[in-house]
Amino acid sequence: ETGVTQSPTHLIKTRGQQVTLRCSSQSGHNTVSWYQQALGQGPQFIFQYYREEENGRGNFPPRFSGLQFPNYSSELNVNALELDDSALYLCASSLGGSGGPDRSPLHFGNGTRLTVT
Amino acid sequence: RKEVEQDPGPFNVPEGATVAFNCTYSNSASQSFFWYRQDCRKEPKLLMSVYSSGNEDGRFTAQLNRASQYISLLIRDSKLSDSATYLCVVNPPSNTGKLIFGQGTTLQVKP
Repeated sequence: ETGVTQSPTHLIKTRGQQVTLRCSSQSGHNTVSWYQQALGQGPQFIFQYYREEENGRGNFPPRFSGLQFPNYSSELNVNALELDDSALYLCASSLGGSGGPDRSPLHFGNGTRLTVT
Repeated sequence: RKEVEQDPGPFNVPEGATVAFNCTYSNSASQSFFWYRQDCRKEPKLLMSVYSSGNEDGRFTAQLNRASQYISLLIRDSKLSDSATYLCVVNPPSNTGKLIFGQGTTLQVKP
């Protein structure tokens, strides 16, 4: 059973550019959550996708957007990058039932470290 | 007030020491609780879930006090390999799958 995989591992972008981060969910999981972790802080919830629909969003501006594909993999897109977007971006997958995403603990991928200069 | 608060430390302890971390949360209706461990520049990994009755896993003991909205993690007989950041995590009463992380408490175990 493969776990959550994220790509790329590291990325350097310039302020104002756009970036796409990718996440492959664990086999059998239909829910993907994205988190941003700035240096010295705990991860902050960006949004979650459940069966290809956004299911909850944290306090992030609209330039943070996402997609979930039929195979449940996901993308996080960030437009108009700012210096403060430099962080570790974490993806986690889980299995949701008919009542929505479950409340099990999340298991994260290795993350993508984004540096904006 | 932050939704989940932890003392960031760092806690510097000798090998073999017992160390305790505390965490408070603001939403009394929160449903589940976890401790995660994060090594430097790595992803957080689940250490243990926290149950109302308290639970133990080897040298690690987690306690939950719902009345005081307080969670603790006790590490006995600290090892050098326990050096890491410990994140307190709360699952609030919503169906969005959002987990709320504390800032983390850094532990450094010295020889």
